Amino acid sequence: NAGVTQTPKFRVLKTGQSMTLLCAQDMNHEYMYWYRQDPGMGLRLIHYSVGEGTTAKGEVPDGYNVSRLKKQNFLLGLESAAPSQTSVYFCASKRRGQGVLEANEKLFFGSGTQLSVL
Amino acid sequence: KQEVTQIPAALSVPEGENLVLNCSFTDSAIYNLQWFRQDPGKGLTSLLLIQSSQREQTSGRLNASLDKSSGRSTLYIAASQPGDSATYLCAVRPGYDKVIFGPGTSLSVIP
Repeated sequence: NAGVTQTPKFRVLKTGQSMTLLCAQDMNHEYMYWYRQDPGMGLRLIHYSVGEGTTAKGEVPDGYNVSRLKKQNFLLGLESAAPSQTSVYFCASKRRGQGVLEANEKLFFGSGTQLSVL
Repeated sequence: KQEVTQIPAALSVPEGENLVLNCSFTDSAIYNLQWFRQDPGKGLTSLLLIQSSQREQTSGRLNASLDKSSGRSTLYIAASQPGDSATYLCAVRPGYDKVIFGPGTSLSVIP
């Protein structure tokens, strides 16, 4: 059981280049999230999805786009990379619980993608 | 807007000490609070989850408490070991879908 898998693990881009980060989960989770982690700022939510075909903006969505065409995959795109997007990106997923059990559902994380934009 | 803070930002203790990490949040309307551990260069691993209706959860040497009315949670680590060295993050669920994280406490346990 692989859990949450992120690819690639490392990437270096030049300003203005584009790229896509892939997140795949094999736990049949409904919810998927993209976070970025910067020193001293904790994890900040970029975009999230509550189900296949749906996406929503988080705290810091500017400069990013996402797609959830399949339930198991959540893609994060950078159309024109900027140095301010240098960060560690984490994907996470969570099951939708039934009724009161929803409050007991844990968040599971991938191992992260280190992105540097020069 | 829900905000989560953690004190202290960093902590260094000798092996064997009991220690407490603090987490505060501004809005008491939460579904749950979750404590995570993050090792350098790694992802986050869930340690404990406390539902809003619960007061505490325990796992081995870890005990997490929740006082929702005051917007506080503590993570108690008993008899600390060098292997406990990591960054500890707390996160709250203010709604059905989002999870908001604190900045973390970096813990170093000295042998």
